Amino acid sequence: SAVISQKPSRDICQRGTSLTIQCQVDSQVTMMFWYRQQPGQSLTLIATANQGSEATYESGFVIDKFPISRPNLTFSTLTVSNMSPEDSSIYLCSVVGQANEKLFFGSGTQLSVL
Amino acid sequence: AQSVTQPDIHITVSEGASLELRCNYSYGATPYLFWYVQSPGQGLQLLLKYFSGDTLVQGIKGFEAEFKRSQSSFNLRKPSVHWSDAAEYFCAVGARGGYQKVTFGTGTKLQVIP
Repeated sequence: SAVISQKPSRDICQRGTSLTIQCQVDSQVTMMFWYRQQPGQSLTLIATANQGSEATYESGFVIDKFPISRPNLTFSTLTVSNMSPEDSSIYLCSVVGQANEKLFFGSGTQLSVL
Repeated sequence: AQSVTQPDIHITVSEGASLELRCNYSYGATPYLFWYVQSPGQGLQLLLKYFSGDTLVQGIKGFEAEFKRSQSSFNLRKPSVHWSDAAEYFCAVGARGGYQKVTFGTGTKLQVIP
């Protein structure tokens, strides 16, 4: 299994500012992802966080808006840049367990942008 | 591109009654299918998954799902619902080995009444 710690759990931010979300896993994992869950909607994959290289972004998401770092196999950050109210969502870190048994999710970061 | 449809946004059942949540997917190859549950204030938990083999999959908490290729469906069932099953349920389809580019449905919110 994998235990994921996400920080912060929630934040209220002003328009135009940036927020960095941290994801720490208790074991080394190969695959790590960032998802967004907008209010009342499903989860959308933002990007795959690649260790030691640039993240792989899904259609509709760009590095300038959502820069991602992954310096090692247990840690990643997602930054939401130049925020607007439309960025208000829950952001979730997700990893595949070492035994490749399933996709684990963090408890999420609830972001509200005023 | 893969997609998942959960036609029921909200379902209400009586405690002890049977439950079936519908899920239809679109994917060009052999699908990797999942059901997740999200309880209020909690993270996503995997109920069950289908990668190959027996098309009837048993999961945790007494849930099961049946993969029907001819109908492109992966419906979730439970013979007797408990009040603690009230939550939101997400069907998902994965590509490229199962965990990369997992696409989630819009979810079905289950309400359980006494």
